[in-house]
Amino acid sequence: DAKTTQPNSMESNEEEPVHLPCNHSTISGTDYIHWYRQLPSQGPEYVIHGLTSNVNNRMASLAIAEDRKSSTLILHRATLRDAAVYYCIPLSNFGNEKLTFGTGTRLTIIP
Amino acid sequence: DTAVSQTPKYLVTQMGNDKSIKCEQNLGHDTMYWYKQDSKKFLKIMFSYNNKELIINETVPNRFSPKSPDKAHLNLHINSLELGDSAVYFCASSQDPPGLHSPLHFGNGTRLTVT
Repeated sequence: DAKTTQPNSMESNEEEPVHLPCNHSTISGTDYIHWYRQLPSQGPEYVIHGLTSNVNNRMASLAIAEDRKSSTLILHRATLRDAAVYYCIPLSNFGNEKLTFGTGTRLTIIP
Repeated sequence: DTAVSQTPKYLVTQMGNDKSIKCEQNLGHDTMYWYKQDSKKFLKIMFSYNNKELIINETVPNRFSPKSPDKAHLNLHINSLELGDSAVYFCASSQDPPGLHSPLHFGNGTRLTVT
């Protein structure tokens, strides 16, 4: 399994963009990069995933480095509701793989 | 409507007892999971079922037995509860097994406290 490295914690001001980095230097060519987040007292929720190209959805953007050894989750305008633990997870697209959570980054939003 | 629902939300019980946690999903998904989140917040997969068949079985004590009566339900039965079983247990579902671009949908967890 590819190992990931994320900052333990980050802070951001409300209504400002947030860039959450993830290093995954041992990622294999078939691994997609998935991001989930866990809000306080809730189960994890899917945020976004991608392979090589940058990806956008209503929640966030995912910028993937050209060598795929790192990626950045971008929240364009953080709100208090975005305070959560964010997990970066490389996952093969072969099926029957295990979605394995690391320690993630705890994001605090400052009002 | 709640997509993935677990009952009970809280469960307090004594060592040695047997208890069950129920999970239901109304998303029409084929795959369901149980995850355990311990006091240090590490989230680990325990089991996964696809179309009622066990496909992932992590190193979990035999006291834990999942049961999937149909695709929409995956229950977790725990025998002879121990203090170390205290944790938050999350049920999840996905259309396909993970990795096939099918995100997991999680319930809000069952907090189990063993005294």
